[in-house]
This record gives sequence, structure tokens and C-alpha cells, in this order.
Amino acid sequence: EPEVTQTPSHQVTQMGQEVILRCVPISNHLYFYWYRQILGQKVEFLVSFYNNEISEKSEIFDDQFSVERPDGSNFTLKIRSTKLEDSAMYFCASRDEGGFMNTEAFFGQGTRLTVV
Amino acid sequence: GNSVTQMEGPVTLSEEAFLTINCTYTATGYPSLFWYVQYPGEGLQLLLKATKADDKGSNKGFEATYRKETTSFHLEKGSVQVSDSAVYFCALRIFYSSASKIIFGSGTRLSIRP
Repeated sequence: EPEVTQTPSHQVTQMGQEVILRCVPISNHLYFYWYRQILGQKVEFLVSFYNNEISEKSEIFDDQFSVERPDGSNFTLKIRSTKLEDSAMYFCASRDEGGFMNTEAFFGQGTRLTVV
Repeated sequence: GNSVTQMEGPVTLSEEAFLTINCTYTATGYPSLFWYVQYPGEGLQLLLKATKADDKGSNKGFEATYRKETTSFHLEKGSVQVSDSAVYFCALRIFYSSASKIIFGSGTRLSIRP
């Protein structure tokens, strides 16, 4: 069964450092998302991406964040200068087109980011 | 705005007990509704979904019925097992654009005692 793959599973970084979280979405999917979940809290939307551009972003997704689909298969989230409060589980998700159907998104296993 | 409100946890039950986790939603359009499950140390998995009123989603013994009149999508299971211990998230998606996001509730932690 196709799945969304995220690497690494756990990343520890020093405050102020740049990190790149990587995701390989399901191959025929067209819509890509990043969400985050601070430990024990709700799953929060960060950004959606379609047709090589951002479709929507949340207030959390400030200038320190960027996304890219560099090679048609990977989908990355970059945090330029990490802060302690960026520590969270980051989930990548992808979705097929579905037309007017409100299809579900498929999520990866997550990358746990720890900023020290 | 669009939002999901679900029963606060944690919920602790004995094995073979009946489970209900309440979920209600507010939506400006006509949403699809989902339940996702997060087992300990794992990511989010879709448990079941319903795309229109009166649809019943079901999977692994869990069921939820899309009730438009009460804007609810309560999760039920007749006889829970220890392996059902997890965090359950109710979620919705509204078609306001082809890329529209999924909105999650705050999650309900379920613990099942043997």
C-alpha cells in the first residue's frame, strides 16, 4: 500500500540552526501539507502546497518557514533559525485530486524535532 | 469559522466496554468528516470517514454517523480492546479550494484496562 514517508524520524538541533524536514508523498498525489503537533496538544495546520506554490498558510508559518518541492518527488519543510518553541512532531500529508469530493489526506509517521 | 470540538480525555475503560467519543463541528459549508487515530509513538492514520449526511463510516469495529441536523460525528465501538488504546482525532474538510486543509479537534486519549 502506498504511503507517505518522512525522514528523519527524530532530529535534534541547536537553537538558531536551520533544519530541513523531508517528505516523500504518495506518487500520484497533487496536494501536500505540513502540520505540527506540540507534545500532547492538537494537530495544527502549517501550510498547503499545490502546483508548485503555497495555497494556504497559517499564522504559525512565518518568514522562518519555507516549503519546496525540489525534484517532483520530495516535499521539504525548512525552518531557517529554530527556536525552542519549534520543538514538535511535524507531519507531512498528501492528497489526491478527488474533484469535488472532500477526500482525506494521508499522513506520514512524523519527524520529531527537538530544539535544544 | 470552521472548527471541531471533541470530548476531552483521557477516557479510561475496561476491556469489552462500550465506547463513545463525542464530536461536534461548526462548518460554513458542507464538510467531509473523519476520525484519525494515533497509536503510541506513531503517526496519524485514517480510521474512518463520511462524506455526506447520514453516511456511516466504519472500520475495525468503530463506527460514526454523519448527523447534519446535530452537526455531530460521534465515534462508537461496541467492545473495546486493549489494542484500541490511542489518541483519537475528529476532523473535517470543507471544499473552499481544491487544496483546502483538514481541521482537527484537540484529540481524545483512550486507555483500555485489561
